Amino acid sequence: AQKVTQAQTEISVVEKEDVTLDCVYETRDTTYYLFWYKQPPSGELVFLIRRNSFDEQNEISGRYSWNFQKSTSSFNFTITASQVVDSAVYFCALSEASKIIQGAQKLVFGQGTRLTINP
Amino acid sequence: GAVVSQHPSWVICKSGTSVKIECRSLDFQATTMFWYRQFPKQSLMLMATSNEGSKATYEQGVEKDKFLINHASLTLSTLTVTSAHPEDSSFYICSARPTVLSGNTIYFGEGSWLTVV
Repeated sequence: AQKVTQAQTEISVVEKEDVTLDCVYETRDTTYYLFWYKQPPSGELVFLIRRNSFDEQNEISGRYSWNFQKSTSSFNFTITASQVVDSAVYFCALSEASKIIQGAQKLVFGQGTRLTINP
Repeated sequence: GAVVSQHPSWVICKSGTSVKIECRSLDFQATTMFWYRQFPKQSLMLMATSNEGSKATYEQGVEKDKFLINHASLTLSTLTVTSAHPEDSSFYICSARPTVLSGNTIYFGEGSWLTVV
């Protein structure tokens, strides 16, 4: 069965601090995809990254970076020099290749981590 | 870029009435769309898979007679909450991926906040 665990329910840091959001997943598929989404108070989901299971390279995009470790089934997300605008709920999600329908992917979401950046 | 639009963004309805939420892909065709539900301060849970021209596939525990899904065209899926009750109050969000375009992004609608009073 597929499962995504975000153990940190809430994180609160002061602006400019670095913060890491943890994500651990479970899947039986050898091919799968991992995602991170940001959900601001308005509710919409903002896509941040998609990573397939064959690509373990870490990725950096501006202040955001992701660490994918298949050995520990983790896909952690780090925000460097956090800003107040980073405050939101962040979701990690998993999609198994075997469950792709007509190219469309069904996502299993973690519980989310509410990140608050204080000025 | 590709956009998925939901309507309405906010809806308040009386208990016992039905409410329809639309999910529309604005500039691409989507054979398959997904509907998710998110209760306050909880995660998103998949409700059903909407298939163009055929019946939707519901996740375990989701009542198909209560949550009617119609995917009548390649750009529109609708979710109707029938005989709504206060416990159906939630955030409903759909997702779609272009059937023919390349790329890895799954597009989500803006979501619809339903309050049943």
